[in-house]
Amino acid sequence: EAQVTQNPRYLITVTGKKLTVTCSQNMNHEYMSWYRQDPGLGLRQIYYSMNVEVTDKGDVPEGYKVSRKEKRNFPLILESPSPNQTSLYFCASRRRDRGSENTGELFFGEGSRLTVL
Amino acid sequence: GIQVEQSPPDLILQEGANSTLRCNFSDSVNNLQWFHQNPWGQLINLFYIPSGTKQNGRLSATTVATERYSLLYISSSQTTDSGVYFCAVRASGTYKYIFGTGTRLKVLA
Repeated sequence: EAQVTQNPRYLITVTGKKLTVTCSQNMNHEYMSWYRQDPGLGLRQIYYSMNVEVTDKGDVPEGYKVSRKEKRNFPLILESPSPNQTSLYFCASRRRDRGSENTGELFFGEGSRLTVL
Repeated sequence: GIQVEQSPPDLILQEGANSTLRCNFSDSVNNLQWFHQNPWGQLINLFYIPSGTKQNGRLSATTVATERYSLLYISSSQTTDSGVYFCAVRASGTYKYIFGTGTRLKVLA
């Protein structure tokens, strides 16, 4: 089954304790990205990756790191989590565009609900 | 940048009723998708529809790219249709997806 898998789905942690949210896709997609969703602010992009070893900042990258060492994996790292990073996080992936009229459909993981105390 | 507006912001329906949700966007797009976020927070793909019309069971969608809007039709609504419906667009020549603020639907039994 084609899917994007995130772990953990739920996490409660404390300020300053490093954590990693993993994301893996089995569709051989080139593009992967991370979003956070907060009430009243909608979905905001944190980081994205166009392919292995190619990453770039989205709208809200502060306090986050990513890496793309393998095509299928795109972990989100919070080096020193703070309470303002309490949020619902989504990983997404799609294949690369094949021309301007042949773009890929974006697929989301099930979400990771993170609480930082 | 491109603006995405969804209407109505909130909608309450009796089970069995039909509804139309609208997504307006301010620039040309090469990608438009509709998603349903269920009460558990999961984002479910409904349609990938940068242009034209598609149907999937009780749901259908139409995008008129030249007039910069898309419509999502829900017929014979069920309580399981409750949740938030988002449209997301990608402007031509960009990589970034812009999400609308969503339509919150509640279907009453």
